[in-house]
Amino acid sequence: NAGVTQTPKFQVLKTGQSMTLQCAQDMNHEYMSWYRQDPGMGLRLIHYSVGAGITDQGEVPNGYNVSRSTTEDFPLRLLSAAPSQTSVYFCASSHTGLAGSYEQYFGPGTRLTVT
Amino acid sequence: AQTVTQSQPEMSVQEAETVTLSCTYDTSESDYYLFWYKQPPSRQMILVIRQEAYKQQNATENRFSVNFQKAAKSFSLKISDSQLGDAAMYFCAYRRVINTGTASKLTFGTGTRLQVTL
Repeated sequence: NAGVTQTPKFQVLKTGQSMTLQCAQDMNHEYMSWYRQDPGMGLRLIHYSVGAGITDQGEVPNGYNVSRSTTEDFPLRLLSAAPSQTSVYFCASSHTGLAGSYEQYFGPGTRLTVT
Repeated sequence: AQTVTQSQPEMSVQEAETVTLSCTYDTSESDYYLFWYKQPPSRQMILVIRQEAYKQQNATENRFSVNFQKAAKSFSLKISDSQLGDAAMYFCAYRRVINTGTASKLTFGTGTRLQVTL
């Protein structure tokens, strides 16, 4: 298993450009999510999905779009990048359900800089 | 809403010594999960230890153990026999126990950077 993969690892954008951060998992996990990590603020939830075709907003969704057409993939789209979106982005996945504290598996992260 | 607080931005420990990282949380729920994640310079998030709130026994994983005080809403991590490889950012996280997808959300603290010195 490759686990959770993210591409690219690094990206520099100009203000106003758009791009998609890719996330894929091969563990057949129902739940996938995107976090951003900023200095002194920990990880904050952007969007999440509990299955194909189902997405919802997290704590900081503004400026980001997601979709989930397959169980494996959960891309994050920045429609018009802003310097405030400079951050490290993590994708995570896990099983859901009451039976157990399912571990969330994290991807390696994408460092995004918006100039 | 649940909140997680880590009041120690940085900690330092000598190799082979013991260090304790603090975490407090706020919730109105009686059942939940708590986690400690380690983030080394590689940025990879690594699960260190987990605790189910309904269990009174403190979780232990090799050199890592927790002190879970449910009434005080405190969840500290103790690292014994510290090693150079323990140097990292450590995050405390909270997760609800409800059988819906939203329950899978993790709420993180702001992290504690641990330095290990010779």
